[in-house]
Amino acid sequence: DTAVSQTPKYLVTQMGNDKSIKCEQNLGHDTMYWYKQDSKKFLKIMFSYNNKELIINETVPNRFSPKSPDKAHLNLHINSLELGDSAVYFCASSQGQLGNTIYFGEGSWLTVV
Amino acid sequence: DAKTTQPPSMDCAEGRAANLPCNHSTISGNEYVYWYRQIHSQGPQYIIHGLKNNETNEMASLIITEDRKSSTLILPHATLRDTAVYYCTGGTSYGKLTFGQGTILTVHP
Repeated sequence: DTAVSQTPKYLVTQMGNDKSIKCEQNLGHDTMYWYKQDSKKFLKIMFSYNNKELIINETVPNRFSPKSPDKAHLNLHINSLELGDSAVYFCASSQGQLGNTIYFGEGSWLTVV
Repeated sequence: DAKTTQPPSMDCAEGRAANLPCNHSTISGNEYVYWYRQIHSQGPQYIIHGLKNNETNEMASLIITEDRKSSTLILPHATLRDTAVYYCTGGTSYGKLTFGQGTILTVHP
């Protein structure tokens, strides 16, 4: 069973559209994240949620809106998609506190045309 | 947040130990050192992490210098399947990992 699963795996869409990426973890963790990997392969954190509460927002444009309906899910909704949003988005989870293992999903490849 | 520096690429013969260095001279006192790897743009795979003491698990060993400014990941018996990009990163509270460019490790027969 996949511990951190994301859907869709691939997404091609036009500029200006609104799209969502879903993430679910079955590890019983209380903290979830979204990371973005750009074309230069840099991985950067976007958001961190602990017990459904936003903990970290790394100066991400407000077109990106994460939603955590419960501790096992953290969805990413993106409004008015731009070409620069093309990237691989990784969901991850951990059990709260500093120093614990963070598990990543397999990624969602978003291409904006 | 720690800024990490790693060599861009390294080679290793299959069956030999692979020693991957990382410099993290700006790491703060409560910041853990994490190592991940990424194969063919799959999701980053956790390898090991530590704070001050050396650590070992079924995948690798982590050696952290006493001043915590650098560390070395050791894969004791590298296989072809260990070919990947290896990232050393600092980890602060609530999972903020600060990834650098990583080291492309190529294991050859």
